Amino acid sequence: SQQGEEDPQALSIQEGENATMNCSYKTSINNLQWYRQNSGRGLVHLILIRSNEREKHSGRLRVTLDTSKKSSSLLITASRAADTASYFCATPVARSNDYKLSFGAGTTVTVRA
Amino acid sequence: DGGITQSPKYLFRKEGQNVTLSCEQNLNHDAMYWYRQDPGQGLRLIYYSQIVNDFQKGDIAEGYSVSREKKESFPLTVTSAQKNPTAFYLCASSINTATYEQYFGPGTRLTVT
Repeated sequence: SQQGEEDPQALSIQEGENATMNCSYKTSINNLQWYRQNSGRGLVHLILIRSNEREKHSGRLRVTLDTSKKSSSLLITASRAADTASYFCATPVARSNDYKLSFGAGTTVTVRA
Repeated sequence: DGGITQSPKYLFRKEGQNVTLSCEQNLNHDAMYWYRQDPGQGLRLIYYSQIVNDFQKGDIAEGYSVSREKKESFPLTVTSAQKNPTAFYLCASSINTATYEQYFGPGTRLTVT
């Protein structure tokens, strides 16, 4: 079963607006990662936030983490057409002698010109 | 120019044939991963390798096989035993364990008819 689940499944916004998507997870984590996937392409790592961090910024991206609620949010400010993509959260889940990265189903963001 | 390459981008096969997908990285990463992505879904882990000559089954390994004879290379064979092989296949690597961010290749879209 998936560890992380994104909400909403899809989001359509006007260029220049902000886009917010959320991720909820089930078990304790040591970090949470956000990835972007343009249609038909591989995933690109955006931000990694550690469990002892509450907020992290990278350019127009802002990620928050609330470990008490087991949730994270990704905010894209001043969106552009190039931000049109699917966004996935991922968390390391413990296996027998390692971790696996568990991905949610993603939020599809469409930025209208 | 560092990164992960996957070839080919598109692959077509007849049912009953085995097919091998290539994945090469020059990032000097120890860990490599194969994922499968179906339309509108997140990524599911097929196999992963933490070190040369060692690999572990992921969540959906049935019908797939891998090898890791060189640090740079982690080919995936989709065998005729895989009941529903048509999908988008993504290869990734990370420094060592899955707790670190992963770098993805561009993907191979396999269609079996």
